[in-house]
Amino acid sequence: GQNIDQPTEMTATEGAIVQINCTYQTSGFNGLFWYQQHAGEAPTFLSYNVLDGLEEKGRFSSFLSRSKGYSYLLLKELQMKDSASYLCAVLDSNYQLIWGAGTKLIIKP
Amino acid sequence: ETGVTQTPRHLVMGMTNKKSLKCEQHLGHNAMYWYKQSAKKPLELMFVYNFKEQTENNSVPSRFSPECPNSSHLFLHLHTLQPEDSALYLCASSQEGQGAAQPQHFGDGTRLSIL
Repeated sequence: GQNIDQPTEMTATEGAIVQINCTYQTSGFNGLFWYQQHAGEAPTFLSYNVLDGLEEKGRFSSFLSRSKGYSYLLLKELQMKDSASYLCAVLDSNYQLIWGAGTKLIIKP
Repeated sequence: ETGVTQTPRHLVMGMTNKKSLKCEQHLGHNAMYWYKQSAKKPLELMFVYNFKEQTENNSVPSRFSPECPNSSHLFLHLHTLQPEDSALYLCASSQEGQGAAQPQHFGDGTRLSIL
């Protein structure tokens, strides 16, 4: 079966750095997405990786290793507004999106 | 006007009621999706419409009935729901349908509670 694993919950301190990991086992691979979802709001697109390496976008970076079936989302200079759930999703060989259950990130002052 | 608008935001209904969820996208996209989101579970894809044609029905019970009158509007008709159907129902759209690696744009969802 197809599977996406990410931690259920993480806690970090304002101003610090946090890394949210995502491992996947899917039938083929056509890219990996990260979304942010604040409580009671829509998921919003953060990043898309299809090649190995690090993609940086402001305070957020996303890394992919296809050989390891692994990605992470790196958040720097954490702000209170970064408290949200972060969803990892993989596009399989049939271009079906396989979703993880999300990681709830709690930022403390 | 936000990109994807869902109404109502909250809905409480009895198991014998009939209600409809509405989704409208203002992004000029050609594909629209219905998802079910339950606490601590992955998003479950329910239906996909591409250029108004239904291209995906992921074994969804017939008590959920989608309708897509045009590429900007999507409905989910609900009838005789069960308590386990209580969840957040999310609508999304993308420029093209499945078969393209494009991000989806989501609405804020309808929080559905079945009594």
